[in-house]
Amino acid sequence: DIMLTQSPATLSVTPGESISLSCRASQSISTNLHWYQQKPNESPRVLIKYASQTISGIPSRFSGSGSGTDFTLNINRVEPEDFSVYYCQQSNSWPRTFGSGTKLEIK
Amino acid sequence: QIQLVQSGPELKKPGESVKISCKASGYTFTDYAMHWVKQAPGKGLKWMGWINTYTGKPTYADDFKGRFVFSLEASASTANLQISNLKNEDTATYFCARRQLQNYFDYWGQGVMVTVSS
Repeated sequence: DIMLTQSPATLSVTPGESISLSCRASQSISTNLHWYQQKPNESPRVLIKYASQTISGIPSRFSGSGSGTDFTLNINRVEPEDFSVYYCQQSNSWPRTFGSGTKLEIK
Repeated sequence: QIQLVQSGPELKKPGESVKISCKASGYTFTDYAMHWVKQAPGKGLKWMGWINTYTGKPTYADDFKGRFVFSLEASASTANLQISNLKNEDTATYFCARRQLQNYFDYWGQGVMVTVSS
């Protein structure tokens, strides 16, 4: 199984800061990596597909990069509504796997 | 608009069974696979498997083989998850999620909280 390691586990930031979240795969997954946001008591929603491709309706402050084993989700100038948990997920091979998540909290 | 509406919360005792549903609307049900994801309280997302909504063939992740069954009521655009012989560790929220043709999950149900307690 492909393991996805997200870091940091928790990130404390002030609104307006720009941040990067990391997702590292245990083996190469090309760009078959997607990012989701989950707010408390809500379902996840997709933010970025295939490492860097945008999703309609998602604010442009969210962007992604990476390929192979190292991936990054960037948030340019964090807004108050962005404080939630972020997960990466790979679709390169079976079984599908998720990272353990990064919680973005207000400093 | 596209929606996945899941059934309501369940409170069960160990050893009992539960069946939760996921009703799709706003698109052709058989065009998109349906996946299931578990989230234990305060924990992350765990992929359980998926069902081919055209053929009805289910595929299970290793940790979900045996007591878990994915099924369809295609005429009702509904996917179901049945868990038998419930254990305390089955306490979780279970999500259905539509797999986009591009292999990511684009629509999710609201989740069903299943609580297993004696």
